[in-house]
Amino acid sequence: QKEVEQDPGPLSVPEGAIVSLNCTYSNSAFQYFMWYRQYSRKGPELLMYTYSSGNKEDGRFTAQVDKSSKYISLFIRDSQPSDSATYLCAMSEGNDYKLSFGAGTTVTVRA
Amino acid sequence: DAGVTQSPTHLIKTRGQHVTLRCSPISGHKSVSWYQQVLGQGPQFIFQYYEKEERGRGNFPDRFSARQFPNYSSELNVNALLLGDSALYLCASSSTRTSGRFLHEQFFGPGTRLTVL
Repeated sequence: QKEVEQDPGPLSVPEGAIVSLNCTYSNSAFQYFMWYRQYSRKGPELLMYTYSSGNKEDGRFTAQVDKSSKYISLFIRDSQPSDSATYLCAMSEGNDYKLSFGAGTTVTVRA
Repeated sequence: DAGVTQSPTHLIKTRGQHVTLRCSPISGHKSVSWYQQVLGQGPQFIFQYYEKEERGRGNFPDRFSARQFPNYSSELNVNALLLGDSALYLCASSSTRTSGRFLHEQFFGPGTRLTVL
């Protein structure tokens, strides 16, 4: 079993739809939960991070962490074609800098 | 400010050869991490270096080695290349001082795409 599980999709939605992405994990020591966006032929860039459980909102993006269920989510409201990318969840135990990534979900927003 | 830079952009090697990949962190960042991203998968942690010392190592064979220089740039070396080493190799830098949205934020470079034939 992988430490971090993420449905690779692909996911195709019409412009303006809500995109829902999620990951599950098995390591209870994870404290930092992140979502990265990766465009084709580029390195990942950080979108959102959450420390421990809770919700965080940043513009059209909302990240949720439920440590009791070992489940994290990312919601993108009013999706735009420019949101088309691969979204990677990542986690770390906090005291070290090693990131454990999910496989990534490829999202296409159709105009 | 310049971001993380990596060289070369692309590389083609044959099985059994050796390869060296290079990374320059963001100015002021003293920590460099290396990740391997096989097509269709998420990045896998290979190494982290901080202040020229190895701070962590992922589940990779001894064919993989790295080092960090006094200017905090880093090299990743892979010996005896296998077909399975074909991947995008990502370098990320971070700082012990808050330079991003949070203390542990890692900033990734564009990667080096290695193809082993």
